[in-house]
Amino acid sequence: KQEVTQIPAALSVPEGENLVLNCSFTDSAIYNLQWFRQDPGKGLTSLLLIQSSQREQTSGRLNASLDKSSGRSTLYIAASQPGDSATYLCAVNLSGNTPLVFGKGTRLSVIA
Amino acid sequence: GAVVSQHPSRVICKSGTSVKIECRSLDFQATTMFWYRQFPKKSLMLMATSNEGSKATYEQGVEKDKFLINHASLTLSTLTVTSAHPEDSSFYICSAGVRSGRVGEQYFGPGTRLTVT
Repeated sequence: KQEVTQIPAALSVPEGENLVLNCSFTDSAIYNLQWFRQDPGKGLTSLLLIQSSQREQTSGRLNASLDKSSGRSTLYIAASQPGDSATYLCAVNLSGNTPLVFGKGTRLSVIA
Repeated sequence: GAVVSQHPSRVICKSGTSVKIECRSLDFQATTMFWYRQFPKKSLMLMATSNEGSKATYEQGVEKDKFLINHASLTLSTLTVTSAHPEDSSFYICSAGVRSGRVGEQYFGPGTRLTVT
């Protein structure tokens, strides 16, 4: 059974700092890995999707990497801003059009 | 593109009543939709997989007679919580897989906050 773990569970950083969020998964036979953002009481916003054949994806200040063989992904946020404060969720699926398995998330606070 | 809507966004109901939540893919066809539940400060847990025109597949521990799922078209799936109880209070989120484009990518609705009093 696939399990996704995210470390740390919570993180507080001063504005402007670069930071890394970690995600690991137990079954390396994944199809896709997605990073999401969730604001309190809100739904999910997809940030980045990495297909299993890819090693990284970038969008603006965000960069996600994938090491499928070791079962790890990182989300790098450059020059953090207070607006980045949210919970970041990592999720994987095992084949196309199958449900995602989520980690418990990392709650990020960026202090102005 | 790839927008998923949910209705209602919030609902408060009395114990014993039923509540229907709609999930629509607005600008694409979704052969498969997924229903997740999220308790406070917890992650999303899959409840069921809904395929258009067929019966939903429920995860272990999810009562199919309590959580009725109907996927009548390629753009609409509904979740009905029957005889709701306070312990059913949760955040319910649906997602849909895009039929074309990147296979395996899912788009999520904004969620429905259910409170059972």
